[in-house]
Amino acid sequence: AQSVSQHNHHVILSEAASLELGCNYSYGGTVNLFWYVQYPGQHLQLLLKYFSGDPLVKGIKGFEAEFIKSKFSFNLRKPSVQWSDTAEYFCAVNEVNTGFQKLVFGTGTRLLVSP
Amino acid sequence: DTEVTQTPKHLVMGMTNKKSLKCEQHMGHRAMYWYKQKAKKPPELMFVYSYEKLSINESVPSRFSPECPNSSLLNLHLHALQPEDSALYLCASSQFSGGGYSTDTQYFGPGTRLTVL
Repeated sequence: AQSVSQHNHHVILSEAASLELGCNYSYGGTVNLFWYVQYPGQHLQLLLKYFSGDPLVKGIKGFEAEFIKSKFSFNLRKPSVQWSDTAEYFCAVNEVNTGFQKLVFGTGTRLLVSP
Repeated sequence: DTEVTQTPKHLVMGMTNKKSLKCEQHMGHRAMYWYKQKAKKPPELMFVYSYEKLSINESVPSRFSPECPNSSLLNLHLHALQPEDSALYLCASSQFSGGGYSTDTQYFGPGTRLTVL
């Protein structure tokens, strides 16, 4: 079965620091990859997604992610974080041969940005 | 408009109660999903509906009964729940491109926080 690993469970950064959150998945076939963010008290929101094409994907709020197929990775990056980026970040993977979108989420990374 | 709405926002119920959670979207999406999210855990898929038909049931106990009365609405009927069922229940929808290659993006509602006493 598909699994998604996020090795950083908690990350604490100061404002303006750079961010990189790791995401690795286990499925060897074609995948769709997503990063969702859950701000405190709010619902899951899509940050960015990768389906095909350019492996460097740009999302909202200055986030980007790079798909490295050989490493089964889809790491999330932001060059300079803000206090408002404090949230929980989930990586998710969908096996595209299912016909349906059956998302498997990683365990999440809680990011705390101190002002 | 990428809004998925869910009601109620909070629900407290006893183990003998029957209650329902509601989800609505008006994006013309033909796939709808129920997820369960326990505290400090990722969402876990429960059910998938496509074109109002149940497509995936992830071995969910029968005390959870989904229903999709039309393409915009998704219900989750609850009966005889256990305290361990307390969680945030999330609804999502996606366009459903069908076939063997899905390029769907799921949009999530705010969830219903359920407490079972």
